[in-house]
Amino acid sequence: QQQVKQSPQSLIVQKGGISIINCAYENTAFDYFPWYQQFPGKGPALLIAIRPDVSEKKEGRFTISFNKSAKQFSLHIMDSQPGDSATYFCAASSGNYQLIWGAGTKLIIKP
Amino acid sequence: DAGVIQSPRHEVTEMGQEVTLRCKPISGHNSLFWYRQTMMRGLELLIYFNNNVPIDDSGMPEDRFSAKMPNASFSTLKIQPSEPRDSAVYFCASRLRDSGVPLHFGNGTRLTVT
Repeated sequence: QQQVKQSPQSLIVQKGGISIINCAYENTAFDYFPWYQQFPGKGPALLIAIRPDVSEKKEGRFTISFNKSAKQFSLHIMDSQPGDSATYFCAASSGNYQLIWGAGTKLIIKP
Repeated sequence: DAGVIQSPRHEVTEMGQEVTLRCKPISGHNSLFWYRQTMMRGLELLIYFNNNVPIDDSGMPEDRFSAKMPNASFSTLKIQPSEPRDSAVYFCASRLRDSGVPLHFGNGTRLTVT
């Protein structure tokens, strides 16, 4: 019930392509869905976040799509660049301090 | 904004030794978290402090682990005695309040116990 399932585990995309990472959840009480980006040797950093009252949020080349009925949300990276190569984590919380983390996706953008 | 500051960045120690990891959260943040990251288990919450008070320590693996937050600008995570299975990257993170706002992570301490 508390899990967030993230896929794929790893992803290789050509430069300029679209990277798509998916997450699914069960707990309908979740009301905050952030995505974090982590570079090697660094801590995760917030990339973009969404609440379930909207179906999409876009910030630059990064978009979260949210499907409340399917209990799924995804991160799309448009025009992927080598500098986007990192590990991406989805997460969810239900109005308290706990963030339930996905397992992470290692993204490699090939030049 | 200096961000969350952790020290040391790397720690190599022998099994049985005491290890102390340190964290300075962002000024004004009242929530502080200690996480452990491994390939096998991903990001695990060890302990959560709110206004310097430990609220949830259910993630602390066992009595060998302890954490303190003596004031709003400093926290420690201690492992005594350390074991090889404690080898991981330990992150401290802070945020302005307890939910719905970005969590700011430090750059972590990579602990190796031989």
